[in-house]
Amino acid sequence: GENVEQHPSTLSVQEGDSAVIKCTYSDSASNYFPWYKQELGKGPQLIIDIRSNVGEKKDQRIAVTLNKTAKHFSLHITETQPEDSAVYFCAASISFNKFYFGSGTKLNVKP
Amino acid sequence: NAGVMQNPRHLVRRRGQEARLRCSPMKGHSHVYWYRQLPEEGLKFMVYLQKENIIDESGMPKERFSAEFPKEGPSILRIQQVVRGDSAAYFCASSVGREDIQYFGAGTRLSVL
Repeated sequence: GENVEQHPSTLSVQEGDSAVIKCTYSDSASNYFPWYKQELGKGPQLIIDIRSNVGEKKDQRIAVTLNKTAKHFSLHITETQPEDSAVYFCAASISFNKFYFGSGTKLNVKP
Repeated sequence: NAGVMQNPRHLVRRRGQEARLRCSPMKGHSHVYWYRQLPEEGLKFMVYLQKENIIDESGMPKERFSAEFPKEGPSILRIQQVVRGDSAAYFCASSVGREDIQYFGAGTRLSVL
């Protein structure tokens, strides 16, 4: 089955700096890549997603890039704010039936 | 429009008891997914259901675990004869259709004593 690896496991940045989280996947058939933000004690919330026919997608301070050839995708957060502090999960899906999640990145934005 | 509702939020069981976790999908959603999250880990897919049908249960342990999504009422994840290793957060997600975004509930945190 699909295997998703996520790095780094923890990331600490100063408020206003950018944060980048990277994921790789193993199955070239994967065609949908969502990113979720999980705050303590809550369920994952979708923040951005990208499909395999697109190389980049942006939504205000958040962007995702996809390199199908290398089988990796990244989350970019610019102008980070303390409220961006959370655990971020990438995921890959072949048929939307089930998502394969990365192990998570704990982002800490220091004021 | 209420989101995905899971209850209870916290559930404590002793070894050997049964645990029943409930999930009400978002209004208009007929697809439900269950995931398990161990501490400090990502979510692991368990089962995908449509109304009255199990579509994919490849992530479900073969014994003690079962899931249903009846025509009326919430989806139920049932764990029989719980063991300490079942302690985890169980998340439910729902989607409108087969190829649509999954929205997650707040989860049920199961503790087995």
